[in-house]
Amino acid sequence: EIVLTQSPDTLSLSPGERATLSCRASQSVGISYLAWYQQKPGQAPRLLIFGASSRATGIPVRFSGSGSRRDFTLTISGLEPEDVGIYYCQQYGSSPLTFGGGTKVEIK
Amino acid sequence: EVRLVQSGAEVKKAGESLKISCKASGYRFSGYWIGWVRQMPGKGPEVVGIIWPGDSETTYSPSFQGQVTITADKSINTVYLQWRSLKASDTAIYYCARLWLANEGWFDPWGPGTLVTVSS
Repeated sequence: EIVLTQSPDTLSLSPGERATLSCRASQSVGISYLAWYQQKPGQAPRLLIFGASSRATGIPVRFSGSGSRRDFTLTISGLEPEDVGIYYCQQYGSSPLTFGGGTKVEIK
Repeated sequence: EVRLVQSGAEVKKAGESLKISCKASGYRFSGYWIGWVRQMPGKGPEVVGIIWPGDSETTYSPSFQGQVTITADKSINTVYLQWRSLKASDTAIYYCARLWLANEGWFDPWGPGTLVTVSS
């Protein structure tokens, strides 16, 4: 089973700043078999990024993904107040599908 | 519009049985795998298992094998997650979500979740 480790645990930034979230896999998940989700309190996760760097429908351009194999990054360029929440990565390079433990994004 | 509608919150005692549901609409039900995902309080999501509604082929994550059963009724576009004997550690929110890229892909969209509370 591939274990995904996300860092940092919590990110506290001011509006307009750039947020950089990391997801590291215990073994390669392939070139681009990684997705990112945003979860707000009391809501289901929402897909942001699939294929490591493709934005899902309706996702603002300030969200971008990069990386391959074991190291992936989600960047929010220009943090907005509505971006607060917990962000999870998920790999689909091999079964079982697994998620990371999450990074909480707060606004200062 | 693709929608997944889940059954309501449940409060049960340890040892009881339970079956929760997820009704899909807005797309060809038999054409996509659907997964069940557990989220325990304050924790990240975990995939319980996935099902192909076309023929009910099912794959469970190792941690959940033998603990739950996933089924589908394609006549009413509904998938189910059931327990024969609940434990307090089954307390969690359970989401259903449509899977992209066959049986190994990303989840989108997600249902709103069903809160299952099991008391000991």
